[in-house]
Amino acid sequence: RKEVEQDPGPFNVPEGATVAFNCTYSNSASQSFFWYRQDCRKEPKLLMSVYSSGNEDGRFTAQLNRASQYISLLIRDSKLSDSATYLCVVNILNDMRFGAGTRLTVKP
Amino acid sequence: GAVVSQHPSWVICKSGTSVKIECRSLDFQATTMFWYRQFPKQSLMLMATSNEGSKATYEQGVEKDKFLINHASLTLSTLTVTSAHPEDSSFYICSASGLAGVGRTDTQYFGPGTRLTVL
Repeated sequence: RKEVEQDPGPFNVPEGATVAFNCTYSNSASQSFFWYRQDCRKEPKLLMSVYSSGNEDGRFTAQLNRASQYISLLIRDSKLSDSATYLCVVNILNDMRFGAGTRLTVKP
Repeated sequence: GAVVSQHPSWVICKSGTSVKIECRSLDFQATTMFWYRQFPKQSLMLMATSNEGSKATYEQGVEKDKFLINHASLTLSTLTVTSAHPEDSSFYICSASGLAGVGRTDTQYFGPGTRLTVL
């Protein structure tokens, strides 16, 4: 089983849609969690850290469920500029492990 | 804050030559730097982790004699691809995590990447 698993997608949604990504991790000792976005041929950029209580930043909401070992990212009112690959990242004993990414395309 | 630069941003070289890529943390001190490789339409693959002043820890399957990593200071790490071959053509990305005071110490900040093409 992979340490960090994501649905690869692709997710193709219309503008204004709400889309959710899930990510599961296998190591219960995982300490911290992040969502990054990566545009084509660019480096990953930190989107948000995921706190145990869940956190929201504008249209983006991240949640963590330690019991079930998954992290989610919800994007509301999606924009064309949200099209990217979203990477789930888990800090496992000070090693950062990346999921393979979920590709999102938002269409007009 | 937390800006990481890489140089060069792209390089084309002949097979058999060596290529050095620099990764710098511009506004913070990076205790740990990471080197990744990404092939088209694939996920990031961690190559090695380096801590300032000590030898890098390489991931399984990554040849340490081919990919030389030096982390001589808290703001600079270099990756040298020795005797590059066409199969080494890839997007190489570094990241850095820093001392307390810049974001979270466990957050990685990525450089813009270096696109290497070996002819």
